[in-house]
Amino acid sequence: AQSVTQPDIHITVSEGASLELRCNYSYGATPYLFWYVQSPGQGLQLLLKYFSGDTLVQGIKGFEAEFKRSQSSFNLRKPSVHWSDAAEYFCAVASPRNEKLTFGTGTRLTIIP
Amino acid sequence: DTAVSQTPKYLVTQMGNDKSIKCEQNLGHDTMYWYKQDSKKFLKIMFSYNNKELIINETVPNRFSPKSPDKAHLNLHINSLELGDSAVYFCASSQSSYGYTFGSGTRLTVV
Repeated sequence: AQSVTQPDIHITVSEGASLELRCNYSYGATPYLFWYVQSPGQGLQLLLKYFSGDTLVQGIKGFEAEFKRSQSSFNLRKPSVHWSDAAEYFCAVASPRNEKLTFGTGTRLTIIP
Repeated sequence: DTAVSQTPKYLVTQMGNDKSIKCEQNLGHDTMYWYKQDSKKFLKIMFSYNNKELIINETVPNRFSPKSPDKAHLNLHINSLELGDSAVYFCASSQSSYGYTFGSGTRLTVV
């Protein structure tokens, strides 16, 4: 069964600092990998996705993620965070066969001035 | 135009009542889903339909019954509501896993 682990429940960074959110997955083959962001009271917005090919994926809002098969990881990065990046971030994995999207428990990002 | 729209956005109801949440997508996707987000923000799939056919039915109480009249609509009916059903319910659609588009959610509060 597929699963996702986001080891950091809550991360606080200063505005302008760099950010890395961790995500580890468990799946027997190469999965489809996603990062979603949820602002308070809002729905889920897709930041980026990985299906195959280049392991460094660029997304919206200046985010990028790197797929590392050897580490079963898909960490999200941003070189300089903005106050508007404060939100809940979810990593997710999908099986190419049944399209079931499984989410991690999320990481809450707080930005301090 | 909203790609995946859910109604209502908020729903407050008493225990024991029956309620429905509606979802419509205008993306032409073949697959639609219902996800539940609990108070700890954990998102878990409940159901998925592909072209009106039930594909995934996770261990959800049979008080929850999805209905898909056509591939653009997936409604969720809940009978005999319980306090533990309070959550945010998200509808989503996808096409061959090339991206999942979520609705803005329905916050259900059972009192």
